[in-house]
Amino acid sequence: AQSVSQHNHHVILSEAASLELGCNYSYGGTVNLFWYVQYPGQHLQLLLKYFSGDPLVKGIKGFEAEFIKSKFSFNLRKPSVQWSDTAEYFCAVNAGSGNTGKLIFGQGTTLQVKP
Amino acid sequence: KAGVTQTPRYLIKTRGQQVTLSCSPISGHRSVSWYQQTPGQGLQFLFEYFSETQRNKGNFPGRFSGRQFSNSRSEMNVSTLELGDSALYLCASSLGGIITDTQYFGPGTRLTVL
Repeated sequence: AQSVSQHNHHVILSEAASLELGCNYSYGGTVNLFWYVQYPGQHLQLLLKYFSGDPLVKGIKGFEAEFIKSKFSFNLRKPSVQWSDTAEYFCAVNAGSGNTGKLIFGQGTTLQVKP
Repeated sequence: KAGVTQTPRYLIKTRGQQVTLSCSPISGHRSVSWYQQTPGQGLQFLFEYFSETQRNKGNFPGRFSGRQFSNSRSEMNVSTLELGDSALYLCASSLGGIITDTQYFGPGTRLTVL
């Protein structure tokens, strides 16, 4: 069965530190990959997505992610975090089911940025 | 443009009862998906509707069902509620699909089963 694994459940960083959140998936075929974010008190929203082309994807608010097919990974990065990046981050995969809303989510990573 | 709305926002039911949750997508969106979020299982896909047809389904028992109306509004029904059904139920909509379009999530309905 398809699965998504986020290695870090809780990350604490100081402002201006660099961020990398790990995400690995298990599926051997074509995948579409997503990172979603949920800020405190807000709805889940899309940060970025990959479905083809350049494996380095840029999203909103300075986030980027790199798809490494050989490692089944889609890690999220940001060179310098801000206090406002405090949120829960979810990696998700849509595997082999076309343009449908079926997403397999990871367990999420809570990021706390200290001012 | 109004976002995805879900009603009710909070609901308390007892075991054995049934419940219906409603989702109004963003105007013009034809795809509506439902997810269950719990602390233990995380976010799990329930089903997706597109133009009134179920396009995909997750691994949930038949007690969980849904439908979509001609105006794209969607309802989710859970019959014979169990304690384990306590969760935040999220609805998301997109124009045609999540690969070609962005999926927008609603605030969720918090269901508590006593």
